[in-house]
Amino acid sequence: GQQLNQSPQSMFIQEGEDVSMNCTSSSIFNTWLWYKQDPGEGPVLLIALYKAGELTSNGRLTAQFGITRKDSFLNISASIPSDVGIYFCAGQLGQGGSEKLVFGKGTKLTVNP
Amino acid sequence: DAGVTQSPTHLIKTRGQHVTLRCSPISGHKSVSWYQQVLGQGPQFIFQYYEKEERGRGNFPDRFSARQFPNYSSELNVNALLLGDSALYLCASSLVGTGAMEYFGPGTRLTVT
Repeated sequence: GQQLNQSPQSMFIQEGEDVSMNCTSSSIFNTWLWYKQDPGEGPVLLIALYKAGELTSNGRLTAQFGITRKDSFLNISASIPSDVGIYFCAGQLGQGGSEKLVFGKGTKLTVNP
Repeated sequence: DAGVTQSPTHLIKTRGQHVTLRCSPISGHKSVSWYQQVLGQGPQFIFQYYEKEERGRGNFPDRFSARQFPNYSSELNVNALLLGDSALYLCASSLVGTGAMEYFGPGTRLTVT
């Protein structure tokens, strides 16, 4: 089945530092999504990417859809304490059939003030 | 506008029992998906429903079933509960169309003892 490899598994950084995490797949996806999940909550959508090579920003967050359509990365600039949480990448085939999302295992981010 | 709502928030059941989880999508969204998230993992796709029809099914046993109602709300049913069914069950809704972004509810935390 489809699998997403997300790395790193965890990160411990100082407030103000930049963060980078990525996701790779053995399969091609037509859509890449990045979510953030706080404890006891559902994932919250951060950025959606629809085209290979697309680079999209949302405030301090920037994500790119890899040209091969098998990878994506998320950057967070100038991290702040509220960035703490688990970040998930998700791929979606979106070819008119099941729109199911395939998730990575997450990157747990800790920001030290 | 209200987001995706789920009920109940928490639930404790005994092995062998049956459980029904409920989800109301964002107003105007016609597609509902269900995911299971075991502690420390990313969400795993269970079902997707669109216009009351099953559109996709993940690799889960027949003990898992779901349905969507005319108002687009949905129920997930799990029979003959096992300890391994303990997880956060997430509902996500989306608009129609390919590559539609999914928005998640807060989840129902199911504990099977």
